[in-house]
Amino acid sequence: AQSVTQPDIHITVSEGASLELRCNYSYGATPYLFWYVQSPGQGLQLLLKYFSGDTLVQGIKGFEAEFKRSQSSFNLRKPSVHWSDAAEYFCAVGADTGRRALTFGSGTRLQVQP
Amino acid sequence: DVKVTQSSRYLVKRTGEKVFLECVQDMDHENMFWYRQDPGLGLRLIYFSYDVKMKEKGDIPEGYSVSREKKERFSLILESASTNQTSMYLCASRTGGQAHYEQYFGPGTRLTVT
Repeated sequence: AQSVTQPDIHITVSEGASLELRCNYSYGATPYLFWYVQSPGQGLQLLLKYFSGDTLVQGIKGFEAEFKRSQSSFNLRKPSVHWSDAAEYFCAVGADTGRRALTFGSGTRLQVQP
Repeated sequence: DVKVTQSSRYLVKRTGEKVFLECVQDMDHENMFWYRQDPGLGLRLIYFSYDVKMKEKGDIPEGYSVSREKKERFSLILESASTNQTSMYLCASRTGGQAHYEQYFGPGTRLTVT
């Protein structure tokens, strides 16, 4: 069965600082990997995804993530955080075998200090 | 613009009541999902459907049932609501049979059972 671990429950960064949110997954084959963002009172919005090809993927709002098979990781990065990035971020894994639904991590809440 | 709508943003029900949560998507998607979101637990899959009248249990189906009579509508039913079902409920839809396609989320229904 697939699983996702987001080890950081809560992260605070200063506006303009760089950001890295960690995600580790467990799955036997090559997974599909996603990062979603949930702003307060909103549903989830897709930031980016990896399913094949280049292991460095670019997303919306200036985010990027790198798939590292050897580390079973898919960390999300942004070089300079804006106050509007304050939200909850979810990593998710999916596959085309077995259950074709996503498994989500527990989320990381990002707070941005002025 | 793609759209997933949920019938209520906030709902308050009494213990033992039968509760219906409705989700409608306008994208002609085959797949629809119901998740429950709780702090520190992320999103957990309750049920999903890959076609009209088809359904599969997710990770936490106990106490819930679903109905999909039309392609665009997926209903979550709490047969006899209990206080431990107080939560945020998120509906999502996705096209195709492959798990790397984007899931689109509704805004969520915050259910309180008293």
